[in-house]
Amino acid sequence: LAKTTQPISMDSYEGQEVNITCSHNNIATNDYITWYQQFPSQGPRFIIQGYKTKVTNEVASLFIPADRKSSTLSLPRVSLSDTAVYYCLVASNYQLIWGAGTKLIIKP
Amino acid sequence: NAGVTQTPKFQVLKTGQSMTLQCAQDMNHNSMYWYRQDPGMGLRLIYYSASEGTTDKGEVPNGYNVSRLNKREFSLRLESAAPSQTSVYFCAVGFPGPGDTEAFFGQGTRLTVV
Repeated sequence: LAKTTQPISMDSYEGQEVNITCSHNNIATNDYITWYQQFPSQGPRFIIQGYKTKVTNEVASLFIPADRKSSTLSLPRVSLSDTAVYYCLVASNYQLIWGAGTKLIIKP
Repeated sequence: NAGVTQTPKFQVLKTGQSMTLQCAQDMNHNSMYWYRQDPGMGLRLIYYSASEGTTDKGEVPNGYNVSRLNKREFSLRLESAAPSQTSVYFCAVGFPGPGDTEAFFGQGTRLTVV
């Protein structure tokens, strides 16, 4: 099962674009890359999922290079309410491998 | 629609006591999961159920048992609670089950074993 590595914490300011990079060197051919957001005392919430190249939805973009050994979550124009822990996950065979996540703090 | 409902939300047990955590979904997903989350850590899979009547061990199954009695409900049982089982427990449905894109989580059960 592929493990992921991401920064422990990041700071940014309201209105900025935030990019969080994750490495997953041992990703398998059938694995998908997925990102979740978690607020204190709540269950994680799905943000975005991709297999390769670029995926965009109403809240984020996900960039995956051709070798798929890393991925970057891009959050456009963040607000204070985006302060949370962000998890990069690789999914295969009914199992999601969760690291410690990136604690993102947005400042006014 | 309630989504994924966990009961209870909070529980304090004494070492050696037993209890069952309940999870129910109204989302019609085949796959259901039990995770635990320790402070400052990511989630760890305890057990999962790919479909009604089937269960499989995850990363940390020791000390737990599960039951998938029907499509809606997936319960987690602690037979003899230990302080090491103090954690927040999350039930989830959906991904990474086949055909699912995302996982949906309950609000969690905060368990303290003293």
